Amino acid sequence: DVKVTQSSRYLVKRTGEKVFLECVQDMDHENMFWYRQDPGLGLRLIYFSYDVKMKEKGDIPEGYSVSREKKERFSLILESASTNQTSMYLCASSLTGTGGWGNQPQHFGDGTRLSIL
Amino acid sequence: KQEVTQIPAALSVPEGENLVLNCSFTDSAIYNLQWFRQDPGKGLTSLLLIQSSQREQTSGRLNASLDKSSGRSTLYIAASQPGDSATYLCAVPPSGNTPLVFGKGTRLSVIA
Repeated sequence: DVKVTQSSRYLVKRTGEKVFLECVQDMDHENMFWYRQDPGLGLRLIYFSYDVKMKEKGDIPEGYSVSREKKERFSLILESASTNQTSMYLCASSLTGTGGWGNQPQHFGDGTRLSIL
Repeated sequence: KQEVTQIPAALSVPEGENLVLNCSFTDSAIYNLQWFRQDPGKGLTSLLLIQSSQREQTSGRLNASLDKSSGRSTLYIAASQPGDSATYLCAVPPSGNTPLVFGKGTRLSVIA
C-alpha cells in the first residue's frame, strides 16, 4: 500500500515564525501536492510538484513556498506565519500514468492540523 | 472555470438502506471523475476513478456512475453500514495534467 506520511498531526506556532511542514511518500510517485482544507471552503491546492526541483503554483500560493530536493519528500514552508494560515494541511502524491498525472488517483496523508497563535 | 457541487451537504440514513450521493460539475470537458472518502480528522482515501469514456465503476458495495453530457455523477452505496459514516468528496481534473477540482463533500451518517 502507498504510504504518505506527514511529520506532525498537530502543530502550534506563533505569528511571524517560519514553519516547515514535511511530507514523505514511499511509492516512488512523481507528483506531490499540498492542499489546505477549511470548513465551508473545501480543499484548495497550494502548490504541486511533478518532478524533483519542479514546482507549480496552485490556487492559493500566497504566503507559502515549497521545496522538493528529493523525489520522496515535499516540504511546505510558511515564510512568516499568520493567523489566517490556521488550517488543516493535507499532502498527496500520485503516479504519472497513461494520459498524464491527472488520470491517476491521489494518495493522501493524514494531515497536519496547524494552529497559528 | 470548473466548479464542482455536492448536494446535500449532510445526509443521515438508517443502517441497511441503499443510498445515492450526488456530484455535479459545470464543464463537461473532464478527463475523469474521482470519488474519495474522508474520515473525521484524517486524510482522503481514493474510492473510485471513472474515466471520461466510462459510464460506471464498481468496487464492492460502491457503484459510481458518470454522465458527462449532463454534468453529473452519482455514488451508490448498497446496504449501508455505520462504518460507512464519513464525508464523501468528488473531484475532476479538467485535463490529464491539471489539478483536481474538488466538491465540498457530503457528510454521511449511518445510524445503527
